[in-house]
Amino acid sequence: GQNIDQPTEMTATEGAIVQINCTYQTSGFNGLFWYQQHAGEAPTFLSYNVLDGLEEKGRFSSFLSRSKGYSYLLLKELQMKDSASYLCAVRDWNYQLIWGAGTKLIIKP
Amino acid sequence: GAGVSQSPSNKVTEKGKDVELRCDPISGHTALYWYRQRLGQGLEFLIYFQGNSAPDKSGLPSDRFSAERTGESVSTLTIQRTQQEDSAVYLCASSPDVQGANEKLFFGSGTQLSVL
Repeated sequence: GQNIDQPTEMTATEGAIVQINCTYQTSGFNGLFWYQQHAGEAPTFLSYNVLDGLEEKGRFSSFLSRSKGYSYLLLKELQMKDSASYLCAVRDWNYQLIWGAGTKLIIKP
Repeated sequence: GAGVSQSPSNKVTEKGKDVELRCDPISGHTALYWYRQRLGQGLEFLIYFQGNSAPDKSGLPSDRFSAERTGESVSTLTIQRTQQEDSAVYLCASSPDVQGANEKLFFGSGTQLSVL
């Protein structure tokens, strides 16, 4: 079967750095997405990786290793507004999106 | 409109009643998805429309659930004989081209369905 694993919850301190991991087992691979979802709101796109390596976008970076079935989202200089759930999703051989359950990130002052 | 629009934003219904949820995707987006999200959980795929192709209904949890889409425009998700376990947020998302290199999904704000 197809599976996406992420930690359920993480806690970090304002101003610090946090890494949210995602491992996947899917039928084929056509890209990996990270979305941010604030409580009570719709998910919004953060990043996309299809080749191995690091994609940097401001305070947020996303890394992919296809051989290991592994990605992480790195958030730097954490702000209180970064408190949200972070969803990992993989596009399989048929371009269907497989979603992880999300990681709830709690930022403390 | 500028984004994906869903209505109603909130719906309270009695067990056994039928409900209809509406989604207006971004103009020009050929792909449209419906997801269900229970409180504190991830996205559960329901159904996917791509242009004029037959929809992928593999995620619909029972025959009480159905969805339609008019061309590349409005979609409605219908839940018949609602049950309490149907209570969730129903999210609609659209995308310009599902097989594009990195086509991301644009989500609506969702419909919060509460079945009493």
